[in-house]
Parts: sequence; structure tokens; C-alpha cells
Amino acid sequence: GESVGLHLPTLSVQEGDNSIINCAYSNSASDYFIWYKQESGKGPQFIIDIRSNMDKRQGQRVTVLLNKTVKHLSLQIAATQPGDSAVYFCAENKKAAGNKLTFGGGTRVLVKP
Amino acid sequence: DTGVSQDPRHKITKRGQNVTFRCDPISEHNRLYWYRQTLGQGPEFLTYFQNEAQLEKSRLLSDRFSAERPKGSFSTLEIQRTEQGDSAMYLCASSDRSGRFGETQYFGPGTRLLVL
Repeated sequence: GESVGLHLPTLSVQEGDNSIINCAYSNSASDYFIWYKQESGKGPQFIIDIRSNMDKRQGQRVTVLLNKTVKHLSLQIAATQPGDSAVYFCAENKKAAGNKLTFGGGTRVLVKP
Repeated sequence: DTGVSQDPRHKITKRGQNVTFRCDPISEHNRLYWYRQTLGQGPEFLTYFQNEAQLEKSRLLSDRFSAERPKGSFSTLEIQRTEQGDSAMYLCASSDRSGRFGETQYFGPGTRLLVL
């Protein structure tokens, strides 16, 4: 049946290509940002984080870029694999707000073989 | 597996019934969070504990919802007189204040609630 409300932006990418997922955050006072990956039926899984005093951070096959001027965050996945198919969420955190996370809208990544 | 466990994984109940969910955080983590996630949306903060103290509650947490963490280890989330609008995934996360940048929150697998 139809999944009412399930209108996530979708990024279709060929296996082996690079993926770029974008996120706009809302609070200019946020000082910590995290990307999570969520597979169907599972909880969000931590991928990579970045603090507001940095503009780039690299992990294994992933890079996060932070542009505080326009309040934009991106996640780059190199050589996308079928196992990367999931919904990706960015989250922001403001320490003075008790460290609760505020999540952005998710992006569904579909990797085509 | 992040080390955060939740029980049950799925719960189907009838409107008006009470339900209780349990979360066991990573053992050395002193902060525990509850979030709610509806289909197609990101998780929304409900409440959090530092050790046994409940430090913040969202306005989303109506008076039908109550959370406890009596010994600063596991936590329970109870929903009384469930309504169909309570149907969602309930996620628990835990964190350690000694995190490198901030407090990375590690999530459990969630409890999916369906209220009929």
C-alpha cells in the first residue's frame, strides 16, 4: 500500500561512484554536527562528526564538509557500495541546549549495481 | 550492534492500553536519551537523563508519557492510555561525556509501536 508521509529526497547512485548528500541546519549556535545512517528497521548508526570550529573532516570513505556561513553540511561517500543504501540524517547539537540532537530531514540513498 | 539494547523490538497494542519499553545503554555511558521517530521523519527528542536525574523533557512528552532511570543504568518509557498517534519508533541513545568533540549518541535498534 501507499506509504503516506514517506517523501524523502532520494539520491540514486551507480555502484562505485561518489555520493554527495546535503543538509541545511537551522541553528547558527549549534556547535557539533553528526551524520547518521539508518537502514530499514534499525536505529541510526553513527558515521562521522564535526565540530563547528572545523570545516572538513575525513573518515574511511566518508568526508564531511561544514559551511557555517550558509549553515550547510554535506556528506561525501567515496566509491559507493550496495551496503551504503540507507537513509542518511544530519543532526545538530548545541551543548548549552543539553546535548539533545535536532535531526534534519533524511535523504534516501539507493545504490544501483 | 552499538551496545544499546531495547526491548521489546515490536509492540502492538489497542488504544487505551498502557505500554512500557526498556532501554539498556552502553554500560559506562552516563547519559541516556529517548527519541520518537515517525515514518519518513528524523528522530525527535523526548527526554534525557544524566545518571538517574531526568534533566530535560520535550513538549512532545505529554502527561501520558513518563520515563525513569532509577539506578542510573537502564531506563523505562511508559505510555499510558495509548492513542493511535503514539504509533512510532521509540529510540533510545546513550552517550559518554568524555567524547572527543561532543557527545556522540549511540542508538539502539528501537521499539516499534503500533496502536490499533
